[in-house]
Amino acid sequence: DQQVKQNSPSLSVQEGRISILNCDYTNSMFDYFLWYKKYPAEGPTFLISISSIKDKNEDGRFTVFLNKSAKHLSLHIVPSQPGDSAVYFCAASGWNTDKLIFGTGTRLQVFP
Amino acid sequence: NAGVTQTPKFQVLKTGQSMTLQCAQDMNHEYMSWYRQDPGMGLRLIHYSVGAGITDQGEVPNGYNVSRSTTEDFPLRLLSAAPSQTSVYFCASRGQGNQPQHFGDGTRLSIL
Repeated sequence: DQQVKQNSPSLSVQEGRISILNCDYTNSMFDYFLWYKKYPAEGPTFLISISSIKDKNEDGRFTVFLNKSAKHLSLHIVPSQPGDSAVYFCAASGWNTDKLIFGTGTRLQVFP
Repeated sequence: NAGVTQTPKFQVLKTGQSMTLQCAQDMNHEYMSWYRQDPGMGLRLIHYSVGAGITDQGEVPNGYNVSRSTTEDFPLRLLSAAPSQTSVYFCASRGQGNQPQHFGDGTRLSIL
């Protein structure tokens, strides 16, 4: 029973274009959503987060959108750069708790 | 600025052996967690701690023990290693409030 789902295992995007990574969740008690980026042989690195009281959060080239009614969030990266090539994990939790539930990840490849 | 430090980076054990995975953070974070990542899966929470002397179970706690005697350290113990515990283990910490977790670079553990 996967509470956080990333249905696309991989995504390939041309440099300069927009990358859109999607994530769905089933638990309506989740209040806090995060995106992490992971390079091989390294730990996940925090990218951006959003709380359930917002529907959008931006940080430079990265924007996260939250649609609570659809239990869906997405990460937009624009413009995409080759250094963005990594595995991206969506994660969710209740407010101020360490019980993070992770999706299975989407491997993004940005090609020139 | 070391952040979250995990040792060792790699380890091979035989079934039935015991070992301790070390995790230390130098950010004075109250909250620390252990995750495992298996192929094709997201990270799954093993145990977590909300402060020195306080620990609790996550999604997959069986076969693992933890203790938190200091703010800085959060070791994970395998009492009798099993092949099913072959995985990459990540330690994370975060500060007060709804802060994101910061991860170490992981320990790759193989059990034969």
